[in-house]
Amino acid sequence: EVQLVESGGGLVKPGGSLRLSCGASGFTFSDAWIHWVRQAPGKGLEWVGRIKSEHDGGTTDYGAPVKARFTIWRDDSKNTVYLLLNSLRTEDTGVYYCGAPGVSPIWGQGTLVTVSS
Amino acid sequence: QTVVTQEPSLTVSPGGTVTLTCASSTGAVTSDYYPMWFQQKPGQAPRTLIYITNNKHSWTPARFSGSLLGGKAALTLSGVQPEDEADYYCLLFYGGAGVFGSGTRVTVL
Repeated sequence: EVQLVESGGGLVKPGGSLRLSCGASGFTFSDAWIHWVRQAPGKGLEWVGRIKSEHDGGTTDYGAPVKARFTIWRDDSKNTVYLLLNSLRTEDTGVYYCGAPGVSPIWGQGTLVTVSS
Repeated sequence: QTVVTQEPSLTVSPGGTVTLTCASSTGAVTSDYYPMWFQQKPGQAPRTLIYITNNKHSWTPARFSGSLLGGKAALTLSGVQPEDEADYYCLLFYGGAGVFGSGTRVTVL
């Protein structure tokens, strides 16, 4: 059974940092391209970024609003992808989901990030 | 700034057919944009329905299909069921970076 579990969310002040984790099981993690998306309260989905498999270069891409502030990396030995959120702004508040849409329809249940003073 | 446009809302009768579209402000959508479609119900995480234009996961019901139609990506629901009532989002990729559409709320009535 495919499972993805996000963790690491919480309350942080503007300008602060947070590290989110996405743990996965039930599929060949090392082959998967992992995406992060987020959803502000009452709003639609927003694409945050993606990391390719190491076989495909392990490169990352980011959405325009988070480029240069957020960083994604992976540790295939732990079946985990990380998302480092730096220079956080109030508009970064929302639920952050990870998924592997090319492998499974399943996404994690999400982790809430609240940026507020 | 790239904008991806979807119909805000559509209503369909049970058993009917409805087509949702996904347009790009940069021009015609092709398979090079690797269109994806997602379903999200209230209070739930999204689920991937379609990836790379028309590929389905084993979970995706046969009544959902993806295509390119008139310069847009399209998601067609045939034989709509009450449980298909949800928000649907398309995602297009521009040189690696993804941009979601604003979503279509489908009401089954």
